[in-house]
Amino acid sequence: NAGVTQTPKFQVLKTGQSMTLQCAQDMNHNSMYWYRQDPGMGLRLIYYSASEGTTDKGEVPNGYNVSRLNKREFSLRLESAAPSQTSVYFCATGQAGEQYFGPGTRLTVT
Amino acid sequence: GENVEQHPSTLSVQEGDSAVIKCTYSDSASNYFPWYKQELGKRPQLIIDIRSNVGEKKDQRIAVTLNKTAKHFSLHITETQPEDSAVYFCAASYDDYKLSFGAGTTVTVRA
Repeated sequence: NAGVTQTPKFQVLKTGQSMTLQCAQDMNHNSMYWYRQDPGMGLRLIYYSASEGTTDKGEVPNGYNVSRLNKREFSLRLESAAPSQTSVYFCATGQAGEQYFGPGTRLTVT
Repeated sequence: GENVEQHPSTLSVQEGDSAVIKCTYSDSASNYFPWYKQELGKRPQLIIDIRSNVGEKKDQRIAVTLNKTAKHFSLHITETQPEDSAVYFCAASYDDYKLSFGAGTTVTVRA
């Protein structure tokens, strides 16, 4: 029972490169989320998926796309990375409001 | 959208003393208020939550209070211990899906 897993743990990209962050859960939750965390700014919602087959924008969606592949998996794609996307990215799953976070991906864009 | 403000941004307490963190929210429709603890380099973890039909909730040394009229809620940690040192985040939700987070409070417990 791994809970919420994320890959990779660390990534360095050059400006303009693309990459996909992967998230998987075995908690059987319907909802999944992607957040970014920057110093002094708390956690900001990028995109979320209330259930399999649906996705919606959060507070800071520009520059990102998501795919809810099935109930377990929710990926976040950066099509053309920018230095402003340097951050720690957390995936989360939720049920009845409670959210449980993955270990995070530390992304640096140079 | 919902706006959550959290104070103070840093808090230093002597071991054994109490710590209090306060949050205010803007959307009167919000009805779920969780608190998360994040240790350095780790993921945020849910430590306690409260719904709007309850005024106070306790779990061992931590408690949360909610004042719906004033639109604020607080986290209280009693008998603080070194392992309570972390960043604490409050959040609010009106739909059981999206959480709006405060900016966080860094708590340091001095031995």
